[in-house]
Amino acid sequence: DAGVIQSPRHEVTEMGQEVTLRCKPISGHNSLFWYRQTMMRGLELLIYFNNNVPIDDSGMPEDRFSAKMPNASFSTLKIQPSEPRDSAVYFCASRGQGLHTEAFFGQGTRLTVV
Amino acid sequence: QKEVEQDPGPLSVPEGAIVSLNCTYSNSAFQYFMWYRQYSRKGPELLMYTYSSGNKEDGRFTAQVDKSSKYISLFIRDSQPSDSATYLCAMDGNQGGKLIFGQGTELSVKP
Repeated sequence: DAGVIQSPRHEVTEMGQEVTLRCKPISGHNSLFWYRQTMMRGLELLIYFNNNVPIDDSGMPEDRFSAKMPNASFSTLKIQPSEPRDSAVYFCASRGQGLHTEAFFGQGTRLTVV
Repeated sequence: QKEVEQDPGPLSVPEGAIVSLNCTYSNSAFQYFMWYRQYSRKGPELLMYTYSSGNKEDGRFTAQVDKSSKYISLFIRDSQPSDSATYLCAMDGNQGGKLIFGQGTELSVKP
């Protein structure tokens, strides 16, 4: 398996534009997480899905953020409209069946909003 | 108050030093404790995990958990320049898989 695949790797956009980040989890994994990482706040959990269902979205900062998982092999995180304070590295991670299994991370998407 | 607290550092040590990295947590429901290592411009990768209080050793790395104090540690013996990375503690409970991370400690081991 190629691991967790995120796209794009880098995104530079203007304030006010819509941004869509994409994630393909490892095949067979049933949990998917979206994290945001900044120097100031570290790695923050935004939302996680179990069997394609959003379980906890309490970390989503504002209504401008939304996430979907239409099937077991694809998820998106959308920011609309984007703001400069959204600049960060966004990671997707997936985890297999059962409690306490290892979470595997993608390479991240580095987002810059100017 | 954050559920997991970790000093972000940075921490700089000479090669061969013993490194101690620590996290505290507030949620008693956390049962499973992990340490991830993240190299620059990469995603975090699992380094060690433990379920219970006490010590777990793997080569130069020892993970320690004290549930009564809600305190976990990672010790690195004979540190090497290749250990230079950010180390993140992580934990979850029996809550359906919610995985929470500390802020991460940036470690630099100088030759």
